[in-house]
Amino acid sequence: GQQLNQSPQSMFIQEGEDVSMNCTSSSIFNTWLWYKQDPGEGPVLLIALYKAGELTSNGRLTAQFGITRKDSFLNISASIPSDVGIYFCAGQLEGNQFYFGTGTSLTVIP
Amino acid sequence: GAVVSQHPSWVICKSGTSVKIECRSLDFQATTMFWYRQFPKQSLMLMATSNEGSKATYEQGVEKDKFLINHASLTLSTLTVTSAHPEDSSFYICSARERRGVNTQYFGPGTRLTVL
Repeated sequence: GQQLNQSPQSMFIQEGEDVSMNCTSSSIFNTWLWYKQDPGEGPVLLIALYKAGELTSNGRLTAQFGITRKDSFLNISASIPSDVGIYFCAGQLEGNQFYFGTGTSLTVIP
Repeated sequence: GAVVSQHPSWVICKSGTSVKIECRSLDFQATTMFWYRQFPKQSLMLMATSNEGSKATYEQGVEKDKFLINHASLTLSTLTVTSAHPEDSSFYICSARERRGVNTQYFGPGTRLTVL
């Protein structure tokens, strides 16, 4: 299947700091989604992106669909302890299925 | 809206038995449901894509005779792990794509399967 490279793999930050993570692929995607997963639970959708160049916010979260359609990034501003978790990007090619990134594990130190 | 449920949330079974996991879209119709498998600290691996009323499409390396998928209605898909073995122990997560509306998928809470 398609491989989405997500970086960084893990992050340890102080509460209040901003966070940035990104996802890249060798393929062109039509849709990018960003999810957060807490331990033992299913992923929860954070932001969905449908057009190249699109910049979308959801509270302290902002995500962008790269112009080349091969990448996307997610920013979290003013991090808080409940932001802890694993963040996944997912991209969709033509058709139904989405392919997931390798995940970014975020730890927020109070 | 867009709630997906899974049942059971946790199951322990003996080696050689079969286990059925249900995935339901509670407040929307899902023409397509996906089944994923996730090992600890790893990403989600797509197992199969299930379309209502038709046979599931399995990803390469996934045994269709071992992981039986049925998508009998627009709100229900089931995954049956047949003759389960300890190596099948994993976290199984389903997701559903809405029939109408935006192109996205919503995940269930997952099912933790432990095979003794």
